[in-house]
Amino acid sequence: ETGVTQTPRHLVMGMTNKKSLKCEQHLGHNAMYWYKQSAKKPLELMFVYNFKEQTENNSVPSRFSPECPNSSHLFLHLHTLQPEDSALYLCASSPRDRGQTEAFFGQGTRLTVV
Amino acid sequence: SQQGEEDPQALSIQEGENATMNCSYKTSINNLQWYRQNSGRGLVHLILIRSNEREKHSGRLRVTLDTSKKSSSLLITASRAADTASYFCATDANDYKLSFGAGTTVTVRA
Repeated sequence: ETGVTQTPRHLVMGMTNKKSLKCEQHLGHNAMYWYKQSAKKPLELMFVYNFKEQTENNSVPSRFSPECPNSSHLFLHLHTLQPEDSALYLCASSPRDRGQTEAFFGQGTRLTVV
Repeated sequence: SQQGEEDPQALSIQEGENATMNCSYKTSINNLQWYRQNSGRGLVHLILIRSNEREKHSGRLRVTLDTSKKSSSLLITASRAADTASYFCATDANDYKLSFGAGTTVTVRA
């Protein structure tokens, strides 16, 4: 248990659906991240937030829309996804403001787009 | 963008043997980290080595870093079945981003 909780753990959605992934941490970390992990590929950094301000959007398609209402919660809103978006979506946090760079990951959401 | 690249992609060893995997990267780093991932789950931080360090130990883990070659290695000694997992290196360039490779899948046979 890393202290980072992601829900749901599994999600199946159609290409016309709208769904949201949720990430929560009460570790007091200032930085939060969304990563996409596809089979046999490196983890792809999608978004970075620092104290709820977005600092990085790694050329992610607009069908992925992040939201960070406070420094403990991070959402990833999904709409009109494609089958190739099926992957494991990982949320992470780190206490960068304390000079520590280690990332604490959630268990991930396994997304299947049908 | 991908920074670390692990080698080999997959490794199968007998319980009790040592497992060694390597990571190469391309640009200057602040530190390099190794993570473990059990099947379909989140990554767990194992060990961090700073750019001014050459070697670090943590239990059965030994990490080396050669900044002149832009490479690192992770050695797991006396492997156990529970070490079966994927191992990832991640580089930090002090820019609020960790860049990961595709990982090495380690299978420890009983």
